[in-house]
Amino acid sequence: DTGVSQDPRHKITKRGQNVTFRCDPISEHNRLYWYRQTLGQGPEFLTYFQNEAQLEKSRLLSDRFSAERPKGSFSTLEIQRTEQGDSAMYLCASSGAGTPMGATDTQYFGPGTRLTVL
Amino acid sequence: GESVGLHLPTLSVQEGDNSIINCAYSNSASDYFIWYKQESGKGPQFIIDIRSNMDKRQGQRVTVLLNKTVKHLSLQIAATQPGDSAVYFCAENRGQGNLIFGKGTKLSVKP
Repeated sequence: DTGVSQDPRHKITKRGQNVTFRCDPISEHNRLYWYRQTLGQGPEFLTYFQNEAQLEKSRLLSDRFSAERPKGSFSTLEIQRTEQGDSAMYLCASSGAGTPMGATDTQYFGPGTRLTVL
Repeated sequence: GESVGLHLPTLSVQEGDNSIINCAYSNSASDYFIWYKQESGKGPQFIIDIRSNMDKRQGQRVTVLLNKTVKHLSLQIAATQPGDSAVYFCAENRGQGNLIFGKGTKLSVKP
């Protein structure tokens, strides 16, 4: 399967614990995005990378959240001191094959990581 | 505030009928629109997209129409099948990389 992959698919944690999610984008894609989706809502943008550079962060990304893409390939999203309000599906998407229209390239999503904070 | 939204939260159609899912957007600067299908427990799946310099685009059994005058987007699914049952989201790109999603329409197909 050459699509976007995410790990783990499910994570249950206790309030106050730290969690880390991984995303592997489609191999030739240089843009990687993180979104959060709560039940009954559409995905909400969190942050995105072009290669290893983090270009934009949403106001939703509090200081407890940090994302990295150190080598411009896979990315990690860490949530520190989790709260019950962090319970959601965390989606990763990738786009772009080096085209000039990179900002409007189709974003392909992974299956998501469902986080439950008890 | 500015948002992408949908007119109906649920839509029920008979198998074989055509489905039309609507979406309104408010930012006239948006230049790229996408429809995604999301099945339960899965990530959004790309269906079709359209750029603002087009009014219509067709795919396999799907057509997207864009009316920039009234800032309206629609997805038409021909001969709807049970496998089309899912939540459908429209999303807009305002040229900054991130997508703005609406709340979604749940399509149910009756056999």
